[in-house]
Amino acid sequence: DIQMTQSPSSLSASVGDRVTITCQASQDISNYLNWYQQKPGKAPKLLIYDASNLETGVPSRFSGSGSGTDFTFTISSLQPEDIATYYCQQYDNLSITFGQGTRLEIK
Amino acid sequence: QLQLQESGPGLVKPSETLSLTCTVSGGSISSSSYYWGWIRQPPGKGLEWIGSIYYSGSTYYNPSLKSRVTISVDTSKNQFSLKLSSVTAADTAVYYCARGSATNNAFDIWGQGTMVTVSS
Repeated sequence: DIQMTQSPSSLSASVGDRVTITCQASQDISNYLNWYQQKPGKAPKLLIYDASNLETGVPSRFSGSGSGTDFTFTISSLQPEDIATYYCQQYDNLSITFGQGTRLEIK
Repeated sequence: QLQLQESGPGLVKPSETLSLTCTVSGGSISSSSYYWGWIRQPPGKGLEWIGSIYYSGSTYYNPSLKSRVTISVDTSKNQFSLKLSSVTAADTAVYYCARGSATNNAFDIWGQGTMVTVSS
């Protein structure tokens, strides 16, 4: 099974800050990496698919990059409504794995 | 627009079988572009993929749960279902159904989730 290592597990930042979360796969997954935002009590919301493609309707301050084993998710200017937990998710060879999640808080 | 809704018992006894159904509305489950998946989230913890099914009935499961999981589809009712056998307290979680792209398994539409507690 492919393991996903997501870091950090929690993060505190100020409004307007640039925020970066990383996800590392235990083996090459090409660009089959997706990012989700989950607010308390709500279902996850797809933000980025195929490592770098912005889902329709998602603000452009969210972005993703990477391929192979190393991936990055960035919020260019943190907004109060971005407080949530973020998850990466990989797909490879009929197997899906989520990262452990990053809880993002406002400083 | 497409919506997914989970339904089923909120309380299941240990050693019994958990059964949930996801009803798809506003669109057809019989699309070649999508898989239909189940994901769960224990209280205060992260997301765990359980398994996915294609409208044709092809399935793939999380290896760690495979021996206990059955996912099926009923295209006539626009529904797909989850059965998880021999449950324990560790199976207590919010269970989500979701639509996944057939090309990259990005889950773009989710149900609201249903809490299932395993307790006697």
